[in-house]
Amino acid sequence: DIVLTQSPATLALSPGDRATLSCRASESVFSYLAWYQKKPGQAPRLLIYDASNRATGIPARFSGSGSGTDFTLTISSLEPEDFAVYYCHQRIRSDTFGQGTKLEIK
Amino acid sequence: QVQLVQSGAEVKKPGSSVKVSCKTSGGSFGSYALSWVRQAPGQGLEWMGRFIPILNTTSNAQKFQGRVAITADTSTNTAYLELTSLRSEDTAIYYCARYGGYYYLDVWGEGTAVIVSS
Repeated sequence: DIVLTQSPATLALSPGDRATLSCRASESVFSYLAWYQKKPGQAPRLLIYDASNRATGIPARFSGSGSGTDFTLTISSLEPEDFAVYYCHQRIRSDTFGQGTKLEIK
Repeated sequence: QVQLVQSGAEVKKPGSSVKVSCKTSGGSFGSYALSWVRQAPGQGLEWMGRFIPILNTTSNAQKFQGRVAITADTSTNTAYLELTSLRSEDTAIYYCARYGGYYYLDVWGEGTAVIVSS
């Protein structure tokens, strides 16, 4: 299986800050990578697909980049509702998720 | 607007089986693949497998080989996840999710809690 490693495990920032989350794949997934936001008691929400495309209704402050094995999710200016856990996901071969990055309020 | 509606919470004994359902409403069931993903308490998301209606095929994560069955009833637009030989580590929220137009999980069910306890 392709292993996705996310870093950092926890990121403590303040509203208005810029957040940079990383996802590294154990082998190339080309651009077949997505990012999801997960809040307690809610289902995950698709944010970014194909590494850099925003899903429908996702605010422009969310952006994704990368290809091959290294990917980044950037939130340009954190809003209070952005504090959650973020997961990357590859679907090129037998889907896997990263272990998540918890974005918490500093 | 496509919705995935899942069955209610279950409490099961170790060694037993559970079958969770996921009904598609407001959209075409056969047009998209469906995935099952779970989240154990305090843990991350874990992909379990998928069903592709147009090909009538399933693909399961190797970890669950032999214990998971993903099926569907196209007459009722419902997909099912059956997990056998339950153990305490299977306690989790189980989600169904649709692979949308770009083959990512764009619509999710509300989740079904499965508790395995003696």
